Amino acid sequence: QKEVEQDPGPLSVPEGAIVSLNCTYSNSAFQYFMWYRQYSRKGPELLMYTYSSGNKEDGRFTAQVDKSSKYISLFIRDSQPSDSATYLCAMPSSSASKIIFGSGTRLSIRP
Amino acid sequence: KAGVTQTPRYLIKTRGQQVTLSCSPISGHRSVSWYQQTPGQGLQFLFEYFSETQRNKGNFPGRFSGRQFSNSRSEMNVSTLELGDSALYLCASSPMGLAGTNEQYFGPGTRLTVT
Repeated sequence: QKEVEQDPGPLSVPEGAIVSLNCTYSNSAFQYFMWYRQYSRKGPELLMYTYSSGNKEDGRFTAQVDKSSKYISLFIRDSQPSDSATYLCAMPSSSASKIIFGSGTRLSIRP
Repeated sequence: KAGVTQTPRYLIKTRGQQVTLSCSPISGHRSVSWYQQTPGQGLQFLFEYFSETQRNKGNFPGRFSGRQFSNSRSEMNVSTLELGDSALYLCASSPMGLAGTNEQYFGPGTRLTVT
């Protein structure tokens, strides 16, 4: 079993829809969670990071962490075609001192 | 502030050759991490350098090595290239690195093709 699981998609939604992207993890030692966006042929770009359980908002993006269920989510409101990209969740592994990435979910927003 | 830069952006090499990739971190960042990204394996951690010392290492063979200079610039070397080394190699910098909880900022990557 991988430490971080993420549905690879692809996920296709119409413009303006609310998008929900999710990751599950198995290591309860993970304390810090990040979401990256990667456009084709570019490096990942940090979108949001959060330490604790609950919600964190930044514009149209909301990151949600449920440590009891080992489940994290990224919500995108009023989705735009420019949001079409691959979204990766990531978390530092305190025991191994490295960052573990999910496999990424490919998202497509249809105009 | 300028972002993370990587050179070259594209590279084609032949099996058995070696290659050196370069990364310049964001000014003031002392940690540089390297990742390999492939469609099948996703983003995999190679190693992290902090203040010229390798601080963390992933599960890659010894053919993959790196170093960091006093100005925080880093190089990654792959010797005896194999077809399976074809990938996007990404460099990321952060102020303190993986020992803290600092976020990482990625460069655009070097796309390596081994023929």
